[in-house]
Amino acid sequence: EPEVTQTPSHQVTQMGQEVILRCVPISNHLYFYWYRQILGQKVEFLVSFYNNEISEKSEIFDDQFSVERPDGSNFTLKIRSTKLEDSAMYFCASTLTGVDEQYFGPGTRLTVT
Amino acid sequence: GENVEQHPSTLSVQEGDSAVIKCTYSDSASNYFPWYKQELGKRPQLIIDIRSNVGEKKDQRIAVTLNKTAKHFSLHITETQPEDSAVYFCAVGVYNQGGKLIFGQGTELSVKP
Repeated sequence: EPEVTQTPSHQVTQMGQEVILRCVPISNHLYFYWYRQILGQKVEFLVSFYNNEISEKSEIFDDQFSVERPDGSNFTLKIRSTKLEDSAMYFCASTLTGVDEQYFGPGTRLTVT
Repeated sequence: GENVEQHPSTLSVQEGDSAVIKCTYSDSASNYFPWYKQELGKRPQLIIDIRSNVGEKKDQRIAVTLNKTAKHFSLHITETQPEDSAVYFCAVGVYNQGGKLIFGQGTELSVKP
């Protein structure tokens, strides 16, 4: 069964540094998402992406965040200047139609020190 | 924006008993209601979902009921087993809004042998 993949599995960075989290959605899917989950808390929506543009973003997704689909397979989340409170698990998800099951990747654990 | 409340936050049952988790939502436009199971350190995995044109759906030991008038939906697990122990999240989605999911706070289910 096809799966969403994410790299790296764990990223440690210093406050103020830029990080790029990478995701490879399921190949025929058209809608892509980033969520984050602070340890022990709920999953929070960050951004949705369709047809090479952002469909919707949450209040968390401020100017420090950006997303890109640089080629036909990768979907990236960039945080320009990381803060301590950005430490969380970041999940990528994809879906074929935008109204069916979202398939989650295994996540990237981001630790900002 | 959409607000999803989930109860209880923790639930402990004996093996073989039933478990019920409830969620309420605020946006009457919401029309997709998935439930995810998340084991420690893992990605959320869809276990069952329901759409707004259906009142109940069952898959073996798992069932979901939806009351659109009251804006609440519930997860029912019968004949619980120790391997059902995990955190369960309800979520709410809206068609025509890019498919973002808003999650509840999660319920930590513990099934004691």
